[in-house]
Amino acid sequence: ETGVTQTPRHLVMGMTNKKSLKCEQHLGHNAMYWYKQSAKKPLELMFVYNFKEQTENNSVPSRFSPECPNSSHLFLHLHTLQPEDSALYLCASSQVGGLRDTQYFGPGTRLTVL
Amino acid sequence: QKEVEQNSGPLSVPEGAIASLNCTYSDRVSQSFFWYRQYSGKSPELIMSIYSNGDKEDGRFTAQLNKASQYVSLLIRDSQPSDSATYLCAVANTGNQFYFGTGTSLTVIP
Repeated sequence: ETGVTQTPRHLVMGMTNKKSLKCEQHLGHNAMYWYKQSAKKPLELMFVYNFKEQTENNSVPSRFSPECPNSSHLFLHLHTLQPEDSALYLCASSQVGGLRDTQYFGPGTRLTVL
Repeated sequence: QKEVEQNSGPLSVPEGAIASLNCTYSDRVSQSFFWYRQYSGKSPELIMSIYSNGDKEDGRFTAQLNKASQYVSLLIRDSQPSDSATYLCAVANTGNQFYFGTGTSLTVIP
């Protein structure tokens, strides 16, 4: 596998379910990100992990819980979501350092909350 | 509040024409600038990056940056139907915080 992979690609869940999204990067990067993409809105940064340490949490509701066990893997644990949480969830990775950081995205997980 | 502004479009150009996409940003300390292409139902794909004032060319794509005017653009020459997509402008500062615009929808008409 190359690049950034995400599973599952599609997920339908009820508001009382608990599920997890998985992201894996094969680029040797040291930073990983979760973004939310809703229709007609800019990409919203949710979480940033540098060297496995969370450095940013942009006021994301606690029903979203990230986990980064190592620099190659990132999870987003979901529980008691709301229908407005339905969106495309994108994982990205980059090599932090200097001014030439570029973020590379995974294919995304299309989440539907019923 | 850091903002990245793009015309949402849709922008329609005939095949073979030049498509011009524009982006303005509010944070003067921004240092890195990117254009991503996103096809419907897919994730963003990096097209170009630019860090210095002036033009940067890569094949049919040219990125232009003017830091004094806080403006970055993307020109697509000889537009093809396969270029039809949403183009996202992204701006980053010295950290690894990226700020994205809402994107411009481009349609190339055969």
